[in-house]
Parts: sequence; structure tokens; C-alpha cells
Amino acid sequence: KAGVTQTPRYLIKTRGQQVTLSCSPISGHRSVSWYQQTPGQGLQFLFEYFSETQRNKGNFPGRFSGRQFSNSRSEMNVSTLELGDSALYLCASSSSGTPDTQYFGPGTRLTVL
Amino acid sequence: AQSVTQLGSHVSVSEGALVLLRCNYSSSVPPYLFWYVQYPNQGLQLLLKYTSAATLVKGINGFEAEFKKSETSFHLTKPSAHMSDAAEYFCAVSVGRSGGSNYKLTFGKGTLLTVNP
Repeated sequence: KAGVTQTPRYLIKTRGQQVTLSCSPISGHRSVSWYQQTPGQGLQFLFEYFSETQRNKGNFPGRFSGRQFSNSRSEMNVSTLELGDSALYLCASSSSGTPDTQYFGPGTRLTVL
Repeated sequence: AQSVTQLGSHVSVSEGALVLLRCNYSSSVPPYLFWYVQYPNQGLQLLLKYTSAATLVKGINGFEAEFKKSETSFHLTKPSAHMSDAAEYFCAVSVGRSGGSNYKLTFGKGTLLTVNP
């Protein structure tokens, strides 16, 4: 079974721009979660989608949004980028979102200049 | 709200020595606990998980962890370190929302393990 894939792997943007990151979960997994990883704040939960519905949301500003499609693929959007948004964005999928294992993708490294 | 504290942001051991990475959690309800490993420029890989079954959990690559409720701890150990174990290790706790429909992971700050030849 193919693992979680994320595209693109690397991205460079400038302040004020917006960006969309994509995540394809493991086949059959219906839950997709997003995390932001920075040296200062560590790993922080952004949001989780299950069957196209956002079920849980972390403490991030409204500039961070996401969605999930009927095939369980998910996108994350960040508008009006700030320097502090530079981070590794990780996507994880699980089959149901219960205390099931979350499988992580390789991440998208976003650099904001 | 749940939280995780990993004691020691950097642990250095010699090859063949015992690896001990410490994790303490805080949770008002029975938690589910995980250890993940992250190699440079990669995502997170699950080492092991505790979900209220056996308190001693065995994982991949020779790692194991013991859930101790009285100490609110879930320390990760490996009897003999290998060079390939050098990586960053994250402890995480997951607690369900009411109704049990979703479990988000709360991570510790991570412990960087260095293995010296």
C-alpha cells in the first residue's frame, strides 16, 4: 500500500502571498490531520477532516484553512503569508480517527521570505 | 487539556549502551500514548503505541515503553543503541473528545538522540 503523499515537498513564497498544500492519504483512510512543525513551537495540531467534514481544529488564525474531497484527499491553504509561517507542514492519515495509528507523510517545507 | 513533557531535549549515548528517553503526560482521562521517530528531512514514523491493553508495549527496531499510571510516565527504552537509532523522538498523547469520535495528537517538544561510535 502506498503511504501518505504530500505535494509539493518544498515551497518558497513571499510575505502576503497565499499557498495551497496537498495531501493524499493511504488508500481507505478517511481521516486526515494536519500539523505544523517549527523549531520553536514543535509539532502543533492544525485541523482534522473526516469524510469531508472538519471535526477538530487547533489554535491557529483563520488564515489557515483546509478542506477534504470525496476521495479523502485534503488540501491546506494559508493566506496572507507571514514570515512565521515558515515551517514543515505534516499531513497524517488514519482509518477512522479513533485511537488508531496516524501515518505521516514526508511533509512540505514552506519557506516564507 | 492534555500535555506531554519530554525530559531532555538532547540525549547522547554510546553505541551498545542503553537508550532511555523520558516522557511524562498530563491527562484528565485515560490517555492513548505514542512514540514517533523522525529522521532528517522525513515525516514521523510510529515506533509504538499504548491503548489501554498491556502496560509494557513493544515496538519496532527493538524499542519498548512502559505505561506507569501512578507516575504518569511512558518512557522509551532500548537495551542496546545502534548508530541507525540517531534521530529525533517524539512522545504524543491522544485523548478522545466527548463521544469518542476524534482523537488529536498532542506532542512533546522532542528529544534528539545522538549515538556515538
